[in-house]
Amino acid sequence: DGGITQSPKYLFRKEGQNVTLSCEQNLNHDAMYWYRQDPGQGLRLIYYSQIVNDFQKGDIAEGYSVSREKKESFPLTVTSAQKNPTAFYLCASSQEYYGYTFGSGTRLTVV
Amino acid sequence: QKEVEQNSGPLSVPEGAIASLNCTYSDRGSQSFFWYRQYSGKSPELIMFIYSNGDKEDGRFTAQLNKASQYVSLLIRDSQPSDSATYLCAVTYQGGKLIFGQGTELSVKP
Repeated sequence: DGGITQSPKYLFRKEGQNVTLSCEQNLNHDAMYWYRQDPGQGLRLIYYSQIVNDFQKGDIAEGYSVSREKKESFPLTVTSAQKNPTAFYLCASSQEYYGYTFGSGTRLTVV
Repeated sequence: QKEVEQNSGPLSVPEGAIASLNCTYSDRGSQSFFWYRQYSGKSPELIMFIYSNGDKEDGRFTAQLNKASQYVSLLIRDSQPSDSATYLCAVTYQGGKLIFGQGTELSVKP
């Protein structure tokens, strides 16, 4: 079945630690996105990529980094520079104007 | 700044009633409009999309689009407790990238 796989489902980060969230899709979609969702809030765009080896900052990119070395994969690293990383992280992919397909999300907590 | 506005709710309706969810957007160039349903703790799932002015029906769901008024709505007929969720309105711009509203929380009371 085609879809988007995010892992891990739950992630705990210590202060000062970098962590990487995985996102893999087998939908053959060109574009991929990372969003952050805080409790009771909407989705805020962190980074997006429309083709391999290219990506752009979204509205809240500070403290995050990404790579797009393969069409199927778009990992997100939450760096120690992100001071308030506790949130629900959603990866999505799309093809042109057909809307997004979302992964199941990663819930990140600072301990 | 491109914006999508929704009433945050909560919107409470009795079981069997019609739930009406509304959304306005600021970019007149937007071409495609989507409604996502998000259950608590889960990721959003696409339930309706609409590209042309007018109504589009799919089962108990009807999406309505008025580009002149920059307004899109979602009607849920015969609401069920299982429809209780947050509904996100999304609008395309810049080659398919979506802007999301804050979401409207719907509660359907048995």
